[in-house]
Amino acid sequence: ETGVTQTPRHLVMGMTNKKSLKCEQHLGHNAMYWYKQSAKKPLELMFVYNFKEQTENNSVPSRFSPECPNSSHLFLHLHTLQPEDSALYLCASSQDPGLAVYEQYFGPGTRLTVT
Amino acid sequence: DAKTTQPNSMESNEEEPVHLPCNHSTISGTDYIHWYRQLPSQGPEYVIHGLTSNVNNRMASLAIAEDRKSSTLILHRATLRDAAVYYCILRDNDYKLSFGAGTTVTVRA
Repeated sequence: ETGVTQTPRHLVMGMTNKKSLKCEQHLGHNAMYWYKQSAKKPLELMFVYNFKEQTENNSVPSRFSPECPNSSHLFLHLHTLQPEDSALYLCASSQDPGLAVYEQYFGPGTRLTVT
Repeated sequence: DAKTTQPNSMESNEEEPVHLPCNHSTISGTDYIHWYRQLPSQGPEYVIHGLTSNVNNRMASLAIAEDRKSSTLILHRATLRDAAVYYCILRDNDYKLSFGAGTTVTVRA
């Protein structure tokens, strides 16, 4: 248990569906992150939020829409996804995004399958 | 970003030490060396980090070469639970964790 929870753990959706992934951190951290891990590929950073403000969008397609209503919650809204978007989506948090001494804490991930 | 090089895989026997090497010949003076691991079907987990001196914690030890161009993560007594992908990552004072392919550690009972 890392203090970062993600729901749902598994999600199957059609290409025309709209769904949302939720992440919550109970660590009092200021920064939250979304990563994507596709099969046979390294983790890719998607979005970074620091004090609820988006500070990084790593050229992510607009069919992925993040939302950070407060420092403890992070959402990833999904719409009109493609089969190649099937992957493990990981949420992470850290105390201060700008200092290398602070580690990131990851949630267990949501395994997304797009059919 | 400075890059790291790790072996693709390593095998160990249970209760024996595991030494995981990492080369980072282009490391800058302000880069920290971080190690994370990812167990099957889980998110990555922080293991240890250091700058210049060797570091120990309850999970592992980190030995850093004097010239900082390489480091070694040491698991003192491997257990089956230590079977995972281990990532060596260089971090400057920003938020980016750049994960490579890592080293897949297999522990034999």
